[in-house]
Amino acid sequence: IVLTQSPGTLSLSPGERATLSCRASQSVSSSFLAWYQQKPGQAPRLLIFAASSRATGIPDRFSGSGSGTDFTLTINRLDPEDFAVYYCQQYGGTSWTFGHGTKVQIK
Amino acid sequence: EVHLLESGGGLVQPGGSLRLSCAASGFTFSTYAMTWVRQAPGKGLEWVSGISGAGGSTFYADPVRGRFTISRDNSRNTLFLQMNSLRGEDTALYYCARPYQPLNYFDYWGQGTLVTVSS
Repeated sequence: IVLTQSPGTLSLSPGERATLSCRASQSVSSSFLAWYQQKPGQAPRLLIFAASSRATGIPDRFSGSGSGTDFTLTINRLDPEDFAVYYCQQYGGTSWTFGHGTKVQIK
Repeated sequence: EVHLLESGGGLVQPGGSLRLSCAASGFTFSTYAMTWVRQAPGKGLEWVSGISGAGGSTFYADPVRGRFTISRDNSRNTLFLQMNSLRGEDTALYYCARPYQPLNYFDYWGQGTLVTVSS
């Protein structure tokens, strides 16, 4: 399964809403769709699992939605610390796949 | 507290070999599958290999199948990745990551160990 993330780069101002898309080449179980945030020099951090469940300690401005082949990560009211790269990821039984990432940068 | 610490990275010539290790602590290691994920400089994340908790099942991404071997020593809480026939495109930061069962998302990551394949 190939995961295609769009856009590649999103330029927004603090306080705005970010909408990130992750499209799968074939249907993915929502249970196995996750989102991560990665900042420069750091390991990825889990944000969302099972498509819409926030991981421990993740602010409620982060939300996930979607099913089948189309999934979305929404960040409401961007905080300066939210500018980073975001990856979606799926599990397919015997392998894991990541999207290529969306960079959210300050406009 | 869960902690994953990778080691073993370095500079190696094309065609060479390297063995990575990941020391785990803070959880019952033998009950979790484990994986390696890599990230080439300036690029995205790529899953490399996975292994079941008991070590009886192993999985590989196509680019490394036949060249890399994943293994584990549950008595030492350590995960390994033996990398042979290394190529320039294997240059990356290699992360050890724990997939949380049964949903298989990565809830814990190490800080990574850098592998550079160059002559």
